Formats: sequence, C-alpha cells, structure tokens
Amino acid sequence: KQEVTQIPAALSVPEGENLVLNCSFTDSAIYNLQWFRQDPGKGLTSLLLIQSSQREQTSGRLNASLDKSSGRSTLYIAASQPGDSATYLCAVRPRGIKAAGNKLTFGGGTRVLVKP
Amino acid sequence: DAGITQSPRHKVTETGTPVTLRCHQTENHRYMYWYRQDPGHGLRLIHYSYGVKDTDKGEVSDGYSVSRSKTEDFLLTLESATSSQTSVYFCAISESDSGRASEQFFGPGTRLTVL
Repeated sequence: KQEVTQIPAALSVPEGENLVLNCSFTDSAIYNLQWFRQDPGKGLTSLLLIQSSQREQTSGRLNASLDKSSGRSTLYIAASQPGDSATYLCAVRPRGIKAAGNKLTFGGGTRVLVKP
Repeated sequence: DAGITQSPRHKVTETGTPVTLRCHQTENHRYMYWYRQDPGHGLRLIHYSYGVKDTDKGEVSDGYSVSRSKTEDFLLTLESATSSQTSVYFCAISESDSGRASEQFFGPGTRLTVL
C-alpha cells in the first residue's frame, strides 16, 4: 500500500528565505505527483503536477523535482513571502490502475509560516 | 479558480439523520471525486465518478453513497449520519484520468458536524 510522508510537519522561516518542502512515497511505481496549497478553512489549490516521466516542473517561484527511484519529491519556493504561509500537501497517483480511476494518496502536509 | 461550488458550506445535524452534500461544476469535466479531511488521517477518497451514472468506491466508502445524474452535479449522501462522519468534505474534479488532464482541482469544502 502506498504511503506518503511529509517531514517536517511544520516549518517557520524568515521572509526572503528559500523554502524546501519534502515529500516521500514508499512505492516508486507512480503515474504522477501533485503539489497543493491549502489555506486555513479553505480548499486545496493545485500548484504543480509532475508526470512520472518528468524530473522537474516549474511555475513562477515554484519548482518541484521528482526522483522516483528514491521515492522523493521536493517543492522549492524561492524568496518566500508572508503570503506563502499555508499548508502544503503532496499527493501521489499510483501507476497501473487506470481502470480504477484517478485515485490520489495524500501526505499529511507541511504547515509553513513565513515571518515578515 | 476552477468553477466548483459545494453546498451547503456548513451543516450541523443529528445522529441518524440523512444528509446530502452537493458538488456543482461548470468546467464540464468528466471525473468528480469526494474526499474527507480529518486531523491525523489527512485527505481520503470516499467515492468518485468517471461519467454520468458511473461511480466507484474509494478508500473510505462505508456509510456513504453517491449519485451523478448530470455531468455538472455529484451528490454525496450519508444515509444515517454518525458522529464518526463529522469531517470536512471536499469535492474535486479532473478533465480525465490521463496525462496532465488528470490534474485535480478542489472545491471550497463543506464542514459537517454530526451531534
């Protein structure tokens, strides 16, 4: 059974510092991996989707890498801002069960606080 | 933001009563999903739909049923609510289950409290 872990559970950094968020998964047979942001009391906002054939994906200040062999993905946020404060979740879709739908397994999230 | 709305946004009900949550999308996406989010358990898939009248179970489907009679609407029903179903419920959609079109987009959530 796929397990997804995000360590640390919480992180506090000063404004301007680069953020590095980790996501580990136990089964390397994945179809894709998706990073989300969740603000308190809100829904999830999709940030990046990385296909299993990709090693990284970029969007603005965000860059996500994927290393399937080691079961890891890292989300980098450059020059953090107080508005980046949120919980960041990663989710993995396993490969080989296309007929069973687009099921995601989520990590527990990393709560980020960017201090002004 | 993807055009996804959920109703109601908040609901308090009593044990044993039926509850129906609605997810409405304006994106004409084929796939729709219901998740629940609980402290210590994260987000877990309840049911999903891959087309009108086509649904399947997720990880935590016991006590829940779903229906999809139109592309834009996906209903989640708790036939007889229990306190263990107190949670935040999220609807999500995706265009397909292939490639970049499998990216999932989430609604704002429904906070359900069962007393």
